[in-house]
Amino acid sequence: DAGVIQSPRHEVTEMGQEVTLRCKPISGHDYLFWYRQTMMRGLELLIYFNNNVPIDDSGMPEDRFSAKMPNASFSTLKIQPSEPRDSAVYFCASKGQRNYTQYFGPGTRLTVL
Amino acid sequence: SQQGEEDPQALSIQEGENATMNCSYKTSINNLQWYRQNSGRGLVHLILIRSNEREKHSGRLRVTLDTSKKSSSLLITASRAADTASYFCATDEGGGNKLTFGTGTQLKVEL
Repeated sequence: DAGVIQSPRHEVTEMGQEVTLRCKPISGHDYLFWYRQTMMRGLELLIYFNNNVPIDDSGMPEDRFSAKMPNASFSTLKIQPSEPRDSAVYFCASKGQRNYTQYFGPGTRLTVL
Repeated sequence: SQQGEEDPQALSIQEGENATMNCSYKTSINNLQWYRQNSGRGLVHLILIRSNEREKHSGRLRVTLDTSKKSSSLLITASRAADTASYFCATDEGGGNKLTFGTGTQLKVEL
């Protein structure tokens, strides 16, 4: 069974460019989470969805960040415009309705020059 | 903001030794989980302990929880080189969905 799939694995872009990160959760999971990991701030929850509906986006740093989940098998995290301080590893995770365990993808390492 | 603070930040031991890492948190919790992260990889769930439990075992892992002190510890017995990773505690304040991760302990197990 495939785990959580994220793409791209690495992204290098220039300041001001739009960046789109993609995630495919584990089939049958009802919850999807987006996290950001940096040395300075550790692992932070940005937003999470339940049945494709955003439930809590209080961790989204600013309006430049947006996330969508158009269907149960796909989500995107978009940064527009990107800034150097957005450089981080972005993780997607999913979990089932009756389970506390979150399953993480391999992450996308974003570098904004 | 981070709920959990982990101690030590880094730990280096020899293969076969036991490794203990601690996590302190600030608010009431529903459960506490431990995750492992290998370098360049995503986090992997290790074990969950509920707020009404004091100790739990899984293979070479032993987790304790003291809600009065708002602290937890993870013990890895008979460590192996493959245990080299970062270990994070994560607290669930209720609902089972929103986890707050600690700062992590970097464990290095040397041959």
